Amino acid sequence: AQTVTQSQPEMSVQEAETVTLSCTYDTSESDYYLFWYKQPPSRQMILVIRQEAYKQQNATENRFSVNFQKAAKSFSLKISDSQLGDAAMYFCAYRSALYFNKFYFGSGTKLNVKP
Amino acid sequence: DADVTQTPRNRITKTGKRIMLECSQTKGHDRMYWYRQDPGLGLRLIYYSFDVKDINKGEISDGYSVSRQAQAKFSLSLESAIPNQTALYFCATSDRTREFGDTQYFGPGTRLTVL
Repeated sequence: AQTVTQSQPEMSVQEAETVTLSCTYDTSESDYYLFWYKQPPSRQMILVIRQEAYKQQNATENRFSVNFQKAAKSFSLKISDSQLGDAAMYFCAYRSALYFNKFYFGSGTKLNVKP
Repeated sequence: DADVTQTPRNRITKTGKRIMLECSQTKGHDRMYWYRQDPGLGLRLIYYSFDVKDINKGEISDGYSVSRQAQAKFSLSLESAIPNQTALYFCATSDRTREFGDTQYFGPGTRLTVL
């Protein structure tokens, strides 16, 4: 069964600095999608970035980028130039490309941003 | 995402009561989903629907039922609510095209408390 592990329950970063959130996953599938979602105190789940497993190039979205290591089953999120508004829970998620009911989330990492 | 709305946003009910949570979307997506989130955990899939006539159970469907009244509407029912169904419930939609990686767009969530 697929599992998604976020080993850092909580992290802190100084405003304007860079932070990396870790995520590993376990799967026997070769085609899948990976996502990072942000959940601020408003509880809205907001898509941050997505990566398709067949693409070797790491996805980037403005200050957010990922380090996708398929062989190592690792999918970390790097936030550059951290801003106060980045403070939130961040969830890593795995989605099977073949079985649509296989959508698994990690337990989340709470990111604190210090002014 | 304002394109996906959920009602009510908060609900307190008693054990044994029937509860319906509603979801509407204006994104024009065919696929809709219901998830629950428990404290300290990621989301878990309850039901999903790929079109009006296609409804499928997710990981934790026991105690829940759904209705897809139209492409834009997907309701979740708790026939007889119990306290361990206290959680945050999310509706989500997705586009079928591979280009988007079947990315899910979430509603604002419904916080349900069963006393």
